[in-house]
Amino acid sequence: SQQGEEDPQALSIQEGENATMNCSYKTSINNLQWYRQNSGRGLVHLILIRSNEREKHSGRLRVTLDTSKKSSSLLITASRAADTASYFCATDLFAGNMLTFGGGTRLMVKP
Amino acid sequence: DAMVIQNPRYQVTQFGKPVTLSCSQTLNHNVMYWYQQKSSQAPKLLFHYYDKDFNNEADTPDNFQSRRPNTSFCFLDIRSPGLGDAAMYLCATSRDRTGSHEPQHFGDGTRLSIL
Repeated sequence: SQQGEEDPQALSIQEGENATMNCSYKTSINNLQWYRQNSGRGLVHLILIRSNEREKHSGRLRVTLDTSKKSSSLLITASRAADTASYFCATDLFAGNMLTFGGGTRLMVKP
Repeated sequence: DAMVIQNPRYQVTQFGKPVTLSCSQTLNHNVMYWYQQKSSQAPKLLFHYYDKDFNNEADTPDNFQSRRPNTSFCFLDIRSPGLGDAAMYLCATSRDRTGSHEPQHFGDGTRLSIL
């Protein structure tokens, strides 16, 4: 099964609301990364959080990491219609291993 | 802007007819990756190159091959495409291997259809 599992699989909100997506993983990680994918496009890197970090911010994005629970969350504040996309977490185990992507959360932001 | 470029964006081929997808990068990154992504699924790593060193994932079918003639270019060859190979193929690069806290940079993908 996948290293990263995301929850919810789909999320629909109104513009201006906050969106929270969660990612759980099974084994110890070196870092965890979040990516966005617009329909029919490639993935865009959003944030990388290292295993010794607990929280990172980038603009309207906030990522938390709880290594004791093996989970991470991505919060998008004041969402916009342009935030409509799929969001994937990816875990980097340790050197020599590749990124393993979760199944993604499909976010729809209604204007 | 430095980029990862995939050509073509859409490729249609016939069942069993070899097809090649291409990827180029202007980032001068050491590592290049090929992923397969089927509808509503996570990207699945097929293989990667660290410089000229080729690394195949254990479950990548033999039908899939790759070439990296130089730092900038990488090709994905599908020798005898089957219907199950219809997917989006994503190329990505990173400055160094995972473990070095480097993000991956993706192209916009090639959507492959099999007739």
